[in-house]
Amino acid sequence: EPEVTQTPSHQVTQMGQEVILRCVPISNHLYFYWYRQILGQKVEFLVSFYNNEISEKSEIFDDQFSVERPDGSNFTLKIRSTKLEDSAMYFCASSFYGELFFGEGSRLTVL
Amino acid sequence: TQLLEQSPQFLSIQEGENLTVYCNSSSVFSSLQWYRQEPGEGPVLLVTVVTGGEVKKLKRLTFQFGDARKDSSLHITAAQPGDTGLYLCAGLGPGDGLTFGKGTHLIIQP
Repeated sequence: EPEVTQTPSHQVTQMGQEVILRCVPISNHLYFYWYRQILGQKVEFLVSFYNNEISEKSEIFDDQFSVERPDGSNFTLKIRSTKLEDSAMYFCASSFYGELFFGEGSRLTVL
Repeated sequence: TQLLEQSPQFLSIQEGENLTVYCNSSSVFSSLQWYRQEPGEGPVLLVTVVTGGEVKKLKRLTFQFGDARKDSSLHITAAQPGDTGLYLCAGLGPGDGLTFGKGTHLIIQP
């Protein structure tokens, strides 16, 4: 069964460092998303991406965040200068229309 | 800001019992999705409900979308230990992003 895959599964970084989280969406899907979940809190929408551009972003998705689909298969989330409060599980999701399929997440720990 | 309130937050029952968990909002959603999330993993889609009043069944799980498309319920019949998990509801619309509730932690004791 097709699935969304994410790497790395866990990354530990120092505050101020750049981090890139990678995702391979399901191959025929058209819409791509990043969500995050801070420990003990609810899943929060960050950004949606369609037709090679951001279609919507939340207040959380500030100038420190960027997304890219560099090669038609990977979908990346970059955090330019990480802060302690960026520590969370980051979930990539993709959809063909409406129903989202999530990856298993990348746990980011900022020290 | 759209909010989804899920209740109860925690529920622990014996195997074989029935249960209902709720997802309520003051906002209208174009669709509502139910997910199940295991610790350390991503949410796994269970069902999507779109039409007000819609009822969908998935084996022992029955999902209902309220007539006004603001609320939903999940009913489990004859709960089993394998049903244990975090159940999340998420509303879609008006934009692209899903608004998630905090979830109901369900424990089914053998």
